[in-house]
This record gives sequence, C-alpha cells and structure tokens, in this order.
Amino acid sequence: DIQMTQSPSTLSASVGDRVTITCRASQSISSWLAWYQQKPGKAPNLLIYKASSLESGVPSRFSGSGSGTEFTLTISSLQPDDFATYYCQQYHSYSLTFGGGTKVEIK
Amino acid sequence: EVQLVESGGGLVKPGGSLRLSCAASGFTFSTSSMNWVRQAPGKGLEWVACTTSTTYIYYTDSVKGRFTISRDNAKNSLYLQMNSLRAEDTAVYYCARGRADSEIFDYWGQGTLVTVSS
Repeated sequence: DIQMTQSPSTLSASVGDRVTITCRASQSISSWLAWYQQKPGKAPNLLIYKASSLESGVPSRFSGSGSGTEFTLTISSLQPDDFATYYCQQYHSYSLTFGGGTKVEIK
Repeated sequence: EVQLVESGGGLVKPGGSLRLSCAASGFTFSTSSMNWVRQAPGKGLEWVACTTSTTYIYYTDSVKGRFTISRDNAKNSLYLQMNSLRAEDTAVYYCARGRADSEIFDYWGQGTLVTVSS
C-alpha cells in the first residue's frame, strides 16, 4: 500500500498568515492526489483534486501543487473559517490512503 | 442536490454484525463509484471499501473477509455488511461518492457511528 505522510501534524497560525502543508507519498502517484478540509463533527469537504485543480466553490486562497511523491497545500491568507483539519488522499491505486491530517489552530 | 444519508449504526458486541445503509439522491447512482470511509474517535480518515459503477469491488486489508460492500442501483442504495466486528472497528462510517467513477470523494454523507464494545 502507498503510505501518505503529512507534515506538520499541528500548525499554529494567525489570521492573514500564509500556510503550507506538505504531503509525501511512499511511491510516485503522479498527480492523483486530493486535499480535504474537515471541521469538528462534520464530514470532510473536497478542496483540491488532481494535485492542483480547485474544486468548484472553494475560495481561491486555497491552492495545491506537486507531483510524483511530494505535494503541498497552501492557504495564501488564512481566514477564521479555515481553522480545521486538512487531509491529503492518494487515488493512484488501491488501497486508497489518506495522510494522518494537519490540524490548523489559532495562534 | 446530491444527498447521501447513512443509517444502521449503533452499539454491537465484539464478534457481532451490523449492516449499514446509504441512501443516495440527486445524481445518477448507477454510474458512480461509491465508497465507505471511516474515522475512529479522535483519529484520521481511513478508506474502507469501494464498489465501482462496473461493480468492481475493493477493500482495505483490515476488513477483507469480514466486511462486504454492495449496492442496489434500483434503490439508489449502498450497503456495508460488517461481520466479526472488533473494538478497532469503532468509528463514524461515512458514505462517499467517487466523482465520475473515480476515487475523488466529492460528496459525503453525515456519517453513522458504530461502537463495538462489550
């Protein structure tokens, strides 16, 4: 199975900060990577797919980049609504796998 | 509007069985890949199983031989039959649609809690 490793596991930031989350795959997954945001008690919400394609309705401050084994999710200017946990997910091959998550907290 | 509504969760003893259901509406169910994803309390997301529109089926290793995913396209419904349940199966189970028969999870249900405890 492909292992997905996210860093950091927790991130403290302030409103307006630029935030970057990294996701590494244990083998190449080309661009078959998605990013999700999850708030407490809620289902995850798709943000980015195919590594860099922004899901419809998602604010443009979110962006994704990378290919192969290293990927990043960037929030250009953190907003109050963005404090949440973020997960990457590879869909290159089964078994589908998620990263361990990055919790973005208020500094 | 796409809607996914899970049901069937509850408290079950170790070794017991439970059947989860997911009622889908607002899209063409028969041409969509459908998945179960779970989340143990305070933990991350774990993909459990998938059934594609062409009825290929895949499972994560930890549930193979114990869980069975199925679908009824006439009823727009997805199921997960869970047997030989273990404490480590305790989680919120989400039903999620795979966009265009891919495994990009673009719509999720609200989740149903399964608790395995004596």
